[in-house]
Amino acid sequence: ELQLVETGGGLIQPGGSLRLSCAASGLNVINNYMSWVRQAPGKGLEWVSFIYGEDSTLYADSVKGRFTISRDSSKNTLYLQMNSLRVEDTGVYFCARDLYGDFYFGMDVWGQGTTVTVSS
Amino acid sequence: QSVLTQPPSASGTPGQRVTISCSGSSSNIGSHHVYWYQLIPGTAPKLLIYKNDQRPSGVSDRFSGSKSGTSASLAISGLRSEDEAEYYCATWDDNLSDHVVFGGGTKLTVL
Repeated sequence: ELQLVETGGGLIQPGGSLRLSCAASGLNVINNYMSWVRQAPGKGLEWVSFIYGEDSTLYADSVKGRFTISRDSSKNTLYLQMNSLRVEDTGVYFCARDLYGDFYFGMDVWGQGTTVTVSS
Repeated sequence: QSVLTQPPSASGTPGQRVTISCSGSSSNIGSHHVYWYQLIPGTAPKLLIYKNDQRPSGVSDRFSGSKSGTSASLAISGLRSEDEAEYYCATWDDNLSDHVVFGGGTKLTVL
């Protein structure tokens, strides 16, 4: 069974840092394209970051320069390092696999999310 | 404010057919495939439709997708209480550097 499990969320003060982890089973994070997506309270889904190919990365403008996506093959884990956190970064953070083949099949495997609360 | 516009809410009674729309422009829906996701609070989001109208294995055939021009729709037939959830369309936009853009989401209530 393909599974993604996020951890690392919590309560953090503005300006602080957190590292989210997404442990994978049944799939290899190194061989797959992976995304982080978040949902702020009462808001919709927002794509945050994407890692693909030989560790190429993309970021939403709202997090560019503050967040870093990475992955560790030995732990089969995806990470999101979040620095200079802002109140508006509060939300549930999901990791997801982006499935590519002859075309893009979409984000077909998701974790259940981890909650980040940025507040003083 | 998303470039993809969805109605904030929709509702139906058990057994009914409901449709959720997703309106965009030539730079997004008009040029790219549309994807639909279901989000039930406390659970992992679920891919319902890919490539406009294709269902992944395991997704009920009660869910169907369509696209015409710069708009797309998700239809749910034989509505069930477990369909109560948020539904999001997604695609790319040529004017944005984002990997993917989501619609604002539609909260479906089963009455």
